[in-house]
Amino acid sequence: DQQVKQNSPSLSVQEGRISILNCDYTNSMFDYFLWYKKYPAEGPTFLISISSIKDKNEDGRFTVFLNKSAKHLSLHIVPSQPGDSAVYFCAASATGGGSNYKLTFGKGTLLTVNP
Amino acid sequence: NAGVTQTPKFQVLKTGQSMTLQCAQDMNHEYMSWYRQDPGMGLRLIHYSVGAGITDQGEVPNGYNVSRSTTEDFPLRLLSAAPSQTSVYFCASSRDFRNTEAFFGQGTRLTVV
Repeated sequence: DQQVKQNSPSLSVQEGRISILNCDYTNSMFDYFLWYKKYPAEGPTFLISISSIKDKNEDGRFTVFLNKSAKHLSLHIVPSQPGDSAVYFCAASATGGGSNYKLTFGKGTLLTVNP
Repeated sequence: NAGVTQTPKFQVLKTGQSMTLQCAQDMNHEYMSWYRQDPGMGLRLIHYSVGAGITDQGEVPNGYNVSRSTTEDFPLRLLSAAPSQTSVYFCASSRDFRNTEAFFGQGTRLTVV
């Protein structure tokens, strides 16, 4: 049972435009969400996170939106740059119930930003 | 500051062989974990540790063993390699249990033939 779902395996956008990556979750115990970026042959790197007490978090060109009622979050990249081309993973964690310390990842979305 | 260092980067094993994937971090992080990444799959947690002497199982622990004798090191042992363990393995460390800004190593690509 996949608890974190990234239903779009890939996304292609033009440089300068907005990239929107989506993530859905099923576990209502999740209360912290993270986005990681991964280049080929490298480990994932942390991008941005959001707590369930917020509905938006912004860091430069990156904004994450959380809709708890829909169990949905999205990552917006504005403006998109060719260097943003990578695989983006959505991850979630829960407090309590034995779920501490564990991150659950989605399958990832390959973003390609075309010059 | 090296961050998280994994060795080796590549390894080919024969079925039934054992080996240890090494992971070391120099950030004095208490929390360390091992993930595997397979094609079309996200990262899946194998084992994790919340401090020296404390380890626990993740989502896919079978066939793997871990120990944490020091804060810096968190080796992953494959007891008897199987082709199903062909994967890319990532070690991660973080300062808090939320894995906020978890730092990942560059990965070990393991092939079991």
